Amino acid sequence: GQQVMQIPQYQHVQEGEDFTTYCNSSTTLSNIQWYKQRPGGHPVFLIQLVKSGEVKKQKRLTFQFGEAKKNSSLHITATQTTDVGTYFCAGKTSYDKVIFGPGTSLSVIP
Amino acid sequence: EAGVTQFPSHSVIEKGQTVTLRCDPISGHDNLYWYRRVMGKEIKFLLHFVKESKQDESGMPNNRFLAERTGGTYSTLKVQPAELEDSGVYFCASSRTGGEAKNIQYFGAGTRLSVL
Repeated sequence: GQQVMQIPQYQHVQEGEDFTTYCNSSTTLSNIQWYKQRPGGHPVFLIQLVKSGEVKKQKRLTFQFGEAKKNSSLHITATQTTDVGTYFCAGKTSYDKVIFGPGTSLSVIP
Repeated sequence: EAGVTQFPSHSVIEKGQTVTLRCDPISGHDNLYWYRRVMGKEIKFLLHFVKESKQDESGMPNNRFLAERTGGTYSTLKVQPAELEDSGVYFCASSRTGGEAKNIQYFGAGTRLSVL
């Protein structure tokens, strides 16, 4: 079946270091979304990418959608302790189904 | 605008008992989704309502799970009888059907279910 994978599963970084999580789909996506879940919280929408090769920025966060619309990445520059949490990508398939990736858990060491 | 609300926030039940989870979506959101996250793993899709109709229930694990959305407003997810492997956090999300934000899912705080 259709799958969305994310790597790495866990990442521990020193505060101030950069962080990147990668999302890969087994099929072409119509769009991809990114969510952040703080420890003990619920997923909160960050951004949506629709166009092939699209790049969007939110302050220290940079989101990319691959040319083939099968992969995406989230890059955080100079991490802060407030960035701690699990980052999920969610891909929308051609059948209008949203499939979440397993998430990347980020720990930031002060 | 009130967000997605879920009730209860926690539920502890014994194996074999019945539990009913409730979700109130954001007013005006026709789409309502149920998800489950087990043991910190991925968020697994359970089902999707458009108004009162089940659009996709391919993620429902078995017939012990019953979801309803009477009148297209709030939804309930009943587990009967509950098994140990049903433990996890059940999230509800809602979204619009049109407009610029139509694909954005707004999540509730979740119901943490523990089956002992």
